[in-house]
Amino acid sequence: GENVGLHLPTLSVQEGDNSIINCAYSNSASDYFIWYKQESGKGPQFIIDIRSNMDKRQGQRVTVLLNKTVKHLSLQIAATQPGDSAVYFCAENTVGSASKIIFGSGTRLSIRP
Amino acid sequence: NAGVMQNPRHLVRRRGQEARLRCSPMKGHSHVYWYRQLPEEGLKFMVYLQKENIIDESGMPKERFSAEFPKEGPSILRIQQVVRGDSAAYFCASSPPRVGDTQYFGPGTRLTVL
Repeated sequence: GENVGLHLPTLSVQEGDNSIINCAYSNSASDYFIWYKQESGKGPQFIIDIRSNMDKRQGQRVTVLLNKTVKHLSLQIAATQPGDSAVYFCAENTVGSASKIIFGSGTRLSIRP
Repeated sequence: NAGVMQNPRHLVRRRGQEARLRCSPMKGHSHVYWYRQLPEEGLKFMVYLQKENIIDESGMPKERFSAEFPKEGPSILRIQQVVRGDSAAYFCASSPPRVGDTQYFGPGTRLTVL
């Protein structure tokens, strides 16, 4: 399953399929991007990050793609599992302000059995 | 290796009371950040602290809110004279001393103002 456009709130995916969650960021000066997973009642959990000198980074079952030209970030989850159900946030960090992470509005991923 | 700890996990206050939220960073982390999250929304940055210093408080409301990170003990987010609009989940994150490093989040404190 794949969501298109900005800030689609819910993505429903068949268990075992790949998931693609998209995110657009606004600040061209951002140089560090992070994906967080937040399960109900819990704090955000770091999944994967990427710096602006890269366009792709892979982790375990997850891949992040960065397209700086169009200021677009995506998270790909391979072989989606029930435990992947959560809200996923992309976040960006502003150059010169190491402190401030700016969070996107999030995408809820639900898994169909 | 304990993660970021926050307490209490749930806090109920009546309008006009004070709320104190505590955060203990991960071992070896000297940077602490506070965020607020409303239901179905992303997290909003509030303040960034290092030991005994407020580095960036651009996200803090001008009144009633304050934060500290003393030399010893946890970081405290203090909300005076709470109002219903303060009801939210408050998350603390910490990161190592290296600037720009990944922030790791605690479980949050859910504040309910009656």
